[in-house]
Amino acid sequence: GAGVSQSPSNKVTEKGKDVELRCDPISGHTALYWYRQSLGQGLEFLIYFQGNSAPDKSGLPSDRFSAERTGGSVSTLTIQRTQQEDSAVYLCASSFYRVGTEAFFGQGTRLTVV
Amino acid sequence: KNEVEQSPQNLTAQEGEFITINCSYSVGISALHWLQQHPGGGIVSLFMLSSGKKKHGRLIATINIQEKHSSLHITASHPRDSAVYICAVSGLYGGSQGNLIFGKGTKLSVKP
Repeated sequence: GAGVSQSPSNKVTEKGKDVELRCDPISGHTALYWYRQSLGQGLEFLIYFQGNSAPDKSGLPSDRFSAERTGGSVSTLTIQRTQQEDSAVYLCASSFYRVGTEAFFGQGTRLTVV
Repeated sequence: KNEVEQSPQNLTAQEGEFITINCSYSVGISALHWLQQHPGGGIVSLFMLSSGKKKHGRLIATINIQEKHSSLHITASHPRDSAVYICAVSGLYGGSQGNLIFGKGTKLSVKP
């Protein structure tokens, strides 16, 4: 597609359920980032994929959070046993892997845990 | 101290006013991004700067690498400019290349 695509755009789930959030990066972009923005907070780094390298998971807040990137393209962020504090907008971005290149953002997935 | 600081946090302006949002950073960077986030949550990349100045329509972004400071200017502001403007930097630091560090954003409200 022309831009970074995320799905679903909105997700309401019950506390304790698992959720999967999807990100389709721009074709050819080797770097993919996940961020989240809790209500009233700034953007928080979660995880970073670069090509075939091991991902940088240093931002994942707990072991309930995991992410995969299949075939160097689509990425899925999984949150297990969701908690109310997981409610946030989850944003995905992608870029070519060159230092300083522009990152393109998806529209985000608004997750609400009730 | 946050690595990326924005000011002001909130800004209210009258339509037509010239607006400036500032961003200061403390890490070595290779690029600085200005992003716009509308109330619906979507983020649009406005500019990526590594030096000098860029202009797009009524928006102007400048960066001073020596002073580690960037400004985003909006000329002839309009209510549709109301959004959160976010400064982010990218560079080589720590063990995570390509990571972006975000400022907390500046919430702009332009009144008609």
